[in-house]
Amino acid sequence: DTAVSQTPKYLVTQMGNDKSIKCEQNLGHDTMYWYKQDSKKFLKIMFSYNNKELIINETVPNRFSPKSPDKAHLNLHINSLELGDSAVYFCASSRSVYTQYFGPGTRLTVL
Amino acid sequence: KQEVTQIPAALSVPEGENLVLNCSFTDSAIYNLQWFRQDPGKGLTSLLLIQSSQREQTSGRLNASLDKSSGRSTLYIAASQPGDSATYLCAVRTNSGGSNYKLTFGKGTLLTVNP
Repeated sequence: DTAVSQTPKYLVTQMGNDKSIKCEQNLGHDTMYWYKQDSKKFLKIMFSYNNKELIINETVPNRFSPKSPDKAHLNLHINSLELGDSAVYFCASSRSVYTQYFGPGTRLTVL
Repeated sequence: KQEVTQIPAALSVPEGENLVLNCSFTDSAIYNLQWFRQDPGKGLTSLLLIQSSQREQTSGRLNASLDKSSGRSTLYIAASQPGDSATYLCAVRTNSGGSNYKLTFGKGTLLTVNP
C-alpha cells in the first residue's frame, strides 16, 4: 500500500512547456507539501496546504501553481518551464505538525 | 531565518562501528526536530521525531538527542551495518506564522558503511 504517491516518476520536457505533477496520499492526513531538491541535494519547502487551504508559499515563482482538489491530493502545475526548474520534486503529507511522510519524488529534466 | 547545518557532510566507517551525526540550528524556538534517511534516487523515510520538550528518542539501533537551548541534535547509530549507508537529513519544524509550521532541512550527511 503506497502511502504517498507521485506521478510521473520521471519527466523530461523542453523549455517553455507547461507540465503537471500529481500527488496523492491515502493516510488521511490534513496537510500536504511540495518540496524541491536541487542538484546539490538541498531540500527546500515550496508550498504547504492544510485542508485544501494554502498556508505556506515560500518565495516560489508564480509559474508554479499548486492545486488541491481535495485533502488527499495536491498537484503541482508549472508554466513556461526553465532550465533552472530541473530538480527532484517531492510531495509529502502529515497530520498537522507531526511526522511527515514523503513520496518517491519526480525527477524533472528541462532541456 | 532558521538555518540548519549538518556535520560532517560525508562519513565513511567500517561495519560494526558506532557513529554520531551532528545537526545544529540557529533558531532554538523549534516545535520539533525530525531525522530522515534518504537512499539514492528515493524519497525520504522518517527515522525519529523529537518534540521540543523531549531530550531523546530511540528506535532500535538509533538514538536521537536534542539540546534545544544550544541548538543541537545528534543521531547515534549503534553497530553500523552496510544497509545503513544512505544520506541522513535533519529537519527542524518552526512556526511560519499563525498556527502554521514548516520544516527546514539541513544538507545531509552521506554515510557509507563498508563491509
